[in-house]
Amino acid sequence: QSVLTQPPSVSAAPGQKVTISCSGSSSNIGNNYVSWYQHLPGTTPKLLIYDNDGRPSGIPDRFSGSKSGTSATLDITGLQTGDEADYYCGTWDSGLSAVVFGGGTKLTVL
Amino acid sequence: EVLLVQSGGGLVQPGGSLKLSCAASGFIFSGSAMHWVRQASGKGLEWVGRIRSKPNNYATAYTASVKGRFTISRDDSKNTAYLQMNSLKTEDTAVYYCTKNYGDSFDFWGQGNLVTVSS
Repeated sequence: QSVLTQPPSVSAAPGQKVTISCSGSSSNIGNNYVSWYQHLPGTTPKLLIYDNDGRPSGIPDRFSGSKSGTSATLDITGLQTGDEADYYCGTWDSGLSAVVFGGGTKLTVL
Repeated sequence: EVLLVQSGGGLVQPGGSLKLSCAASGFIFSGSAMHWVRQASGKGLEWVGRIRSKPNNYATAYTASVKGRFTISRDDSKNTAYLQMNSLKTEDTAVYYCTKNYGDSFDFWGQGNLVTVSS
């Protein structure tokens, strides 16, 4: 059972938009930066979003992040079949003194 | 180009030990905190621990389930981070990744090493 709560799965058609939520508490999301990762099986995780809404060089602007209170969201627009992957949110938990991840959300592009 | 090349891993019996290495290049290793993250088969990402840089006294932190069993260290002269795993349990079976700090996130990852704890 993860400290951060994500929906196990989301799906949408190519070209559509999907939103992945990440819910936490004041000890983690509420007072720390959130990052998002894309993980395709057999590959290494890829940083998509840092510091709640920052995008590393090379990440398309179809990917965007936001944070409000103790929740964060990852939006993906213009879905492509290549976006099918597992997505994880992560942040520091001040109470646990540890980095925590969400349980992951499997994105299916129908 | 930033590269994190991992070595080590393999099959070990419960109660045994194993050491993973993570050789870094393409960035100022001595100035970066380094973390280890693992993923058990069919499970999500789990943070294992981290080691900070020399100015931060090489401070380490670990997830509760590995405290007292795992030790993270680094050799800045070799641009290498290590994960020493002792008293291994079957539940430690996972792919282990080293990863580089980028603020409060992780921007580059090693290729991963499978560690299997089984009799």
